[in-house]
Amino acid sequence: NAGVMQNPRHLVRRRGQEARLRCSPMKGHSHVYWYRQLPEEGLKFMVYLQKENIIDESGMPKERFSAEFPKEGPSILRIQQVVRGDSAAYFCASSPPHGTHEQYFGPGTRLTVT
Amino acid sequence: DAKTTQPPSMDCAEGRAANLPCNHSTISGNEYVYWYRQIHSQGPQYIIHGLKNNETNEMASLIITEDRKSSTLILPHATLRDTAVYYCIVRVRHRGSNYKLTFGKGTLLTVNP
Repeated sequence: NAGVMQNPRHLVRRRGQEARLRCSPMKGHSHVYWYRQLPEEGLKFMVYLQKENIIDESGMPKERFSAEFPKEGPSILRIQQVVRGDSAAYFCASSPPHGTHEQYFGPGTRLTVT
Repeated sequence: DAKTTQPPSMDCAEGRAANLPCNHSTISGNEYVYWYRQIHSQGPQYIIHGLKNNETNEMASLIITEDRKSSTLILPHATLRDTAVYYCIVRVRHRGSNYKLTFGKGTLLTVNP
């Protein structure tokens, strides 16, 4: 079974550009979570999505960041007009609709803003 | 979610048992204890969870004290590949707004040859 897939694994953007991070959940999983890990810090929750719905975006910065999980295709985390402080590892996790305790994480996308 | 306290680092000899403690003295009755680990630069990996009883799976054992105020994750025969940051997380099981995982600083376990 394929695990959670994220791409790209590494992304370099100049200040002011847009970054698009993709996450394909495990087969059968309809819940997706995004976390951010700043250098030398722990993981912080950003947003929780189900198919076509944002359930909780309380951890997402109010400006420049958006997330979606369309009916078809991967979940996308979009960062507009990136700044150096956006440099971090972004992890996606997924879980099935019901009856599970664990979240399954992808390998992450490392964003570097120059 | 209840706050957890873990030692920042621990060492263990290869082949020996690694015992990682976690204090969660403010845990409430419907909160589970979860353990995840993060090997350097990789995504976190679920290890085990429990509510009241001790639990064991192919990766580890989880011992929860009777008053549930602390727990210990046991890796019975640590290998070099177990070197990672181990996170103890307490939360209600996937209800309402409590699906998010709140990661603290964790314990860096270093397994030495």
